Amino acid sequence: KAGVTQTPRYLIKTRGQQVTLSCSPISGHRSVSWYQQTPGQGLQFLFEYFSETQRNKGNFPGRFSGRQFSNSRSEMNVSTLELGDSALYLCASSLVGSGNTEAFFGQGTRLTVV
Amino acid sequence: KNEVEQSPQNLTAQEGEFITINCSYSVGISALHWLQQHPGGGIVSLFMLSSGKKKHGRLIATINIQEKHSSLHITASHPRDSAVYICAVRVGAQKLVFGQGTRLTINP
Repeated sequence: KAGVTQTPRYLIKTRGQQVTLSCSPISGHRSVSWYQQTPGQGLQFLFEYFSETQRNKGNFPGRFSGRQFSNSRSEMNVSTLELGDSALYLCASSLVGSGNTEAFFGQGTRLTVV
Repeated sequence: KNEVEQSPQNLTAQEGEFITINCSYSVGISALHWLQQHPGGGIVSLFMLSSGKKKHGRLIATINIQEKHSSLHITASHPRDSAVYICAVRVGAQKLVFGQGTRLTINP
């Protein structure tokens, strides 16, 4: 069974640009969550999607957005990039994303903003 | 104060030693996860707990819901166990809140 796949693995962008990251969950998983990891703040929750609907959102500005497609693949977009957006972006998939369901993480996309 | 606190932040030990990493949380949770992150970034889920104790190979995880505390133990530690170990709690059904992580180094 294939794991969670994130693309691309590495990305360099310039301030002011926008970026789209992709996450393909494990087959059959309907919940996809996104997280940002920085040396200063650690891992922080961005948002969670289930059946194409955003169910929960972390404390990030509106420049961070996402969506989920009918095949459960998810994308997150960051517009008007800032230097502080440089981070490792991780997604995790789970069957239903609540209670006692286990989360499986991807390898992450390392975004560098210059 | 963070909702999830881990200790110690850094831990260096010799191969073969028994390792304990602690996690305390201050919010109501539906589950607690222990995660392992190697250099390069990928995260592996080690355990998901809502009560009691789980064991997988040399790894043991326990949780005390009343005391809001969990521990991850590694028996007969090995250099390949060197990684960052992260405690995460599931809050409000869909959201994971993470500890700052414990950087473990096992020397041969």
